[in-house]
Amino acid sequence: DQQVKQNSPSLSVQEGRISILNCDYTNSMFDYFLWYKKYPAEGPTFLISISSIKDKNEDGRFTVFLNKSAKHLSLHIVPSQPGDSAVYFCAASGGWGSQGNLIFGKGTKLSVKP
Amino acid sequence: DTGVSQNPRHKITKRGQNVTFRCDPISEHNRLYWYRQTLGQGPEFLTYFQNEAQLEKSRLLSDRFSAERPKGSFSTLEIQRTEQGDSAMYLCASSFQSENTEAFFGQGTRLTVV
Repeated sequence: DQQVKQNSPSLSVQEGRISILNCDYTNSMFDYFLWYKKYPAEGPTFLISISSIKDKNEDGRFTVFLNKSAKHLSLHIVPSQPGDSAVYFCAASGGWGSQGNLIFGKGTKLSVKP
Repeated sequence: DTGVSQNPRHKITKRGQNVTFRCDPISEHNRLYWYRQTLGQGPEFLTYFQNEAQLEKSRLLSDRFSAERPKGSFSTLEIQRTEQGDSAMYLCASSFQSENTEAFFGQGTRLTVV
């Protein structure tokens, strides 16, 4: 059973608009959440993270929101740029026995059109 | 230090052959992870080292897989008697030993078993 779910395989957005990528999780013991960006033939690149004690974290154009009661997080990119086109992975860690290994969703492919 | 380095970037091997991959983590990091990613999936955790000790192995890691980190620095992942189902991107990541910290990934080794 998938513990981290990204239900939208793809998203297309116009340059300059907001991109919203969503992620749901099932394990209430997760206490740290991360977003990674991945270009083809490269490894994932860390983007932004949030601890479960917060509900928002912002870094430049990127903001992550966490709703613990709904077990839902989202990544907002404003304004979106063509260079943001990539696959975005949501990941979570924490819980009993966790040593920091990450549980990933299947990813959402973002396409930002000029 | 330019980040996590993985070699080779690509490996094509015949079914039944053994292959070995190398990962050089970021030098200050004492945690090292191996993940596997197949098409349409997010990275899946395989195993984890803290310094030279292998502390956790996923059930995905069959007996044909072995990983080492002999001096707590670089790590190797060996796959014996490769099968076509082993074809995937093998990713290495490293991080500090801290409760909530991001992992930094290498560019991966793409394995194709023919």
